[in-house]
Amino acid sequence: EVQLEQSGAEVKRPGESLKISCKSSGYTFTNYWIAWVRQMPGKGLEYMGIIYPGDSDTRYSPSFQGQVTISADKSISTAYLQWSSLKASDTAMYYCARHFWGRGEYYFDYWGRGTLVTVSS
Amino acid sequence: QSALTQPASVSGSRGQSITISCTGTTSDIGGYNYVSWYQQHPGKAPKLMIYQVTNRPSGVSNRFSGSKSGSTASLTISGLQAEDEADYYCSSYTGINSNILLFGGGTKLTVL
Repeated sequence: EVQLEQSGAEVKRPGESLKISCKSSGYTFTNYWIAWVRQMPGKGLEYMGIIYPGDSDTRYSPSFQGQVTISADKSISTAYLQWSSLKASDTAMYYCARHFWGRGEYYFDYWGRGTLVTVSS
Repeated sequence: QSALTQPASVSGSRGQSITISCTGTTSDIGGYNYVSWYQQHPGKAPKLMIYQVTNRPSGVSNRFSGSKSGSTASLTISGLQAEDEADYYCSSYTGINSNILLFGGGTKLTVL
């Protein structure tokens, strides 16, 4: 059974750093892209970026380029999303999802439950 | 403002059918058959309902169907049930930026 297990909710101050995780199981981690998707309170889904754990190929939406860093550790089947300096506007739910990307397929088939990040002074 | 345009809300009575539209351009929906649809209940993660315009994943009810005409994709739900009440999002590949998928702004479905 494919599962994406995300790390727990975080409460941070503006300016702090943060790294959240998404651990995959039930499939070969290195064979599928992982996407990160933001959902701000009461708002829609926003595509942040993707990583292919097989070779660490990483791509970012222009809206998030330079704002976050996506990485993966294939030895533990885990993808990460990190910030070096959080802002209040980073307050949102962050989802990871297994992502079909390329070879005629572009969609997300399995999603994590989300990690709620709250940034407040 | 989202790249793909969806109605903010739609409603229908139990047993009826409804259609949610998702309008893009010739650079995304109109140019490729890479439209997908996601259902999201409050406080839950999104769930894949339709991919590649018309394909339904295993386990998704056949009451859900997808189609496309020009630059507008549609999700039709027939025989509305109470549990269909949720937010629905469309997504599409875009030929303008090969690094992203586009999302619609989401549609709130209310089952009366």
